[in-house]
Amino acid sequence: SYVLTQPPSVSVAPGETARVTCGGNNIGSKSVHWFQQKPGQAPLLVIFYDNDRPSGIPERFSGSNSGNTATLTISRVEAGDEADYYCQVWHTRGDHWAVFGGGTKLTVL
Amino acid sequence: EVQLVESGGGLVQPGGSLRLSCAASGFSFSNYAMYWVRQAPGKGLEYVSSINSNGDSTYYANPVKGRFSISRDNSKNTVYLHMGSLRPEDMATYYCAKGSHGFVTGFFQYWGQGTLVTVSS
Repeated sequence: SYVLTQPPSVSVAPGETARVTCGGNNIGSKSVHWFQQKPGQAPLLVIFYDNDRPSGIPERFSGSNSGNTATLTISRVEAGDEADYYCQVWHTRGDHWAVFGGGTKLTVL
Repeated sequence: EVQLVESGGGLVQPGGSLRLSCAASGFSFSNYAMYWVRQAPGKGLEYVSSINSNGDSTYYANPVKGRFSISRDNSKNTVYLHMGSLRPEDMATYYCAKGSHGFVTGFFQYWGQGTLVTVSS
């Protein structure tokens, strides 16, 4: 099976840049999607196809994907960005299933 | 505005069955794949199942294969998850999600608010 590895937590001061990584074997060959989930809420798509933003998501959110690591970058972090972030890819070897990373808790200091 | 409203969750005994529903509105339902994703209390997201736009292709995560069944009624704009032989480890909030395309390997574009399934005697 395919495994995505995320750090359990990332902390950053307001106004700084947060980077959340998602590691996977040759993940650069896959499309990576990112979701934000605040306590008590449903997940929200923030990045799709590595670095595309849905309408309504601030330009401060960006993504990259190469080699064995995909990264979600949040610039000029705000208190409202505090949330859990999940990466996701599709694994399609003979079947189709979505794989999620374990999630990263972003804390705004 | 896209809306996804899940229903059908509740308390069920181990070995029991439950059917979840997800009523969709605000988009052309028959053109998009649909998904179920679950989240156990305090845990991360876990893929459960997917169905393509016309319902002729379905997929399941290994932990639920053979016990759960996904279906859709495009005339009612509703997707279902039939859950059988429920186990305590199936206890979770179950989210319905809209796909970005008719095929299943798009992305989870919108999510419902979820319905809680509790498996306990």
